[in-house]
Amino acid sequence: SQQGEEDPQALSIQEGENATMNCSYKTSINNLQWYRQNSGRGLVHLILIRSNEREKHSGRLRVTLDTSKKSSSLLITASRAADTASYFCATVPSGGYQKVTFGIGTKLQVIP
Amino acid sequence: GAVVSQHPSRVICKSGTSVKIECRSLDFQATTMFWYRQFPKQSLMLMATSNEGSKATYEQGVEKDKFLINHASLTLSTLTVTSAHPEDSSFYICSAAGDSPVGDTQYFGPGTRLTVL
Repeated sequence: SQQGEEDPQALSIQEGENATMNCSYKTSINNLQWYRQNSGRGLVHLILIRSNEREKHSGRLRVTLDTSKKSSSLLITASRAADTASYFCATVPSGGYQKVTFGIGTKLQVIP
Repeated sequence: GAVVSQHPSRVICKSGTSVKIECRSLDFQATTMFWYRQFPKQSLMLMATSNEGSKATYEQGVEKDKFLINHASLTLSTLTVTSAHPEDSSFYICSAAGDSPVGDTQYFGPGTRLTVL
């Protein structure tokens, strides 16, 4: 069954604005990862946050994790047209690699 | 970061034929490789997990006799779609995970788009 569920499923913003995507999950995790996928392409790993971490930054990306609420958010600041893509969260369950589960994704469109 | 390649990137075949997709980890040893399928506008669904030298573990609902997985070496896993039908048309993505330096991150291949006529 699907573990992560992203919200919103689609987001359209103007260039320069911030974009926030949320992910909820159901079971205990070892870590949570965010990926980007350009249309028809493979996935690009963006950031990994472990279950004992609350916030992580990478360039214009900020990820938060609230294990009590079983949720995570991805913030992209000062968005660019090149950020247009689908964004997926993926949860790695406690115990290792097995059954990494992807959410349904958020399709982000950044309008120049 | 670590590099994973897939070949071919795109394949079109006739119904009833078999298609083999290769997944290679280019600069690290992948003890575990994963195969995913993604239908248009949907998320990735895990099909199976393969560990080098052992049989693959298939997810519920995935036919192991139809989707043959071989992980013969630490750098190569293959997925063979046997007797392909139009409903098998999809985007197939592999990922690889291993020990240092990749830690517990999976690295994804660029995907293979299969179209069955």
